[in-house]
Amino acid sequence: AQKITQTQPGMFVQEKEAVTLDCTYDTSDPSYGLFWYKQPSSGEMIFLIYQGSYDQQNATEGRYSLNFQKARKSANLVISASQLGDSAMYFCAMSANDYKLSFGAGTTVTVRA
Amino acid sequence: SAVISQKPSRDICQRGTSLTIQCQVDSQVTMMFWYRQQPGQSLTLIATANQGSEATYESGFVIDKFPISRPNLTFSTLTVSNMSPEDSSIYLCSVGDRGSEKLFFGSGTQLSVL
Repeated sequence: AQKITQTQPGMFVQEKEAVTLDCTYDTSDPSYGLFWYKQPSSGEMIFLIYQGSYDQQNATEGRYSLNFQKARKSANLVISASQLGDSAMYFCAMSANDYKLSFGAGTTVTVRA
Repeated sequence: SAVISQKPSRDICQRGTSLTIQCQVDSQVTMMFWYRQQPGQSLTLIATANQGSEATYESGFVIDKFPISRPNLTFSTLTVSNMSPEDSSIYLCSVGDRGSEKLFFGSGTQLSVL
């Protein structure tokens, strides 16, 4: 069984600053993938970034980077240079080789001008 | 990434009726899944939509309540049957392809049952 934990229900960040969203996971699968999704108030789920368990380097996608610490079982998302449009719910998720996603509870990010 | 169209985007339905949600992808994909997001909650996997065969349901979800079709590699439907207010949720389809690690979602269907 897989478990994803996001301990921050909500966070405030000043525009143009960076914010780190925490995510820890637990799995017995040797091979797995870690995902972050953004869900704005419209309800859609927007793919942000992916990290494979065997990837040596941390994933980056534009202003998003994933701080992957395998020994600590953490996969924190860093959003740099926050923008007002970054205000949304953010979900951490993981999948084993079956492509089924298990989600954390989510973190609400509010960017202040 | 694949373009995923989900219809309807929202609907308000009466108790006891059924609603069919469509998920159309602009390219063939290996994997298609259906998720439910109850108000204020995270996403929960309902089932894997299998092409040409019966869907594989997760614990707590049954075919009579959530029948799923997948006639080909680009299209799937989820029906929410005999609806009650507890079925009010966002329903999302997700697609993935072997050889690509990324999993993408449709825009979601916001369902309210009165």
